[in-house]
Amino acid sequence: KAGVTQTPRYLIKTRGQQVTLSCSPISGHRSVSWYQQTPGQGLQFLFEYFSETQRNKGNFPGRFSGRQFSNSRSEMNVSTLELGDSALYLCASSLVPRTGGTYEQYFGPGTRLTVT
Amino acid sequence: GQNIDQPTEMTATEGAIVQINCTYQTSGFNGLFWYQQHAGEAPTFLSYNVLDGLEEKGRFSSFLSRSKGYSYLLLKELQMKDSASYLCAVRGDFNKFYFGSGTKLNVKP
Repeated sequence: KAGVTQTPRYLIKTRGQQVTLSCSPISGHRSVSWYQQTPGQGLQFLFEYFSETQRNKGNFPGRFSGRQFSNSRSEMNVSTLELGDSALYLCASSLVPRTGGTYEQYFGPGTRLTVT
Repeated sequence: GQNIDQPTEMTATEGAIVQINCTYQTSGFNGLFWYQQHAGEAPTFLSYNVLDGLEEKGRFSSFLSRSKGYSYLLLKELQMKDSASYLCAVRGDFNKFYFGSGTKLNVKP
């Protein structure tokens, strides 16, 4: 079974630009979460999608947005990039929404975004 | 606010046992997870606790005390390949996940 895939793996952008990152979950996984990882802050939760709906949102500004398609693939968009947005963006998928039982998250390799 | 604390870095010797602690204060509690992350790679799931007590999985064990807001990950018979960062994460209210900053474990020969 293929794992979580993310594209692109590396990206360099300049301040003020916008960027779209893509995530394809494991087949059958309907929940997709996005995280930002930086050396200073660790892993920070951005948002979670299930059935094309945003179920949860972390404490990030509105410049960060996302969506999920009917095939569970997800994209996240960052507009008006700032230097502080440089980070590893990780996507994780899980089998079912964790509202009762618990299913572990499977992480993709991440997209390394550098803003100059 | 949410707070998950774990030591920044630890060093242990190959073949030894190491315990990585995690304390948490979160809005709600629906389970605690441990992940392993090698440098430049994605985190991989190690263990999950939702009830108090010890969960054992081969060389790895994880303990939880909900009343104390405390967990630990125990690694036995350390191997060089165990050198990695170990992330403690809590699933809080509304399925939000909160991660600690990670503990970098260095295993020496």
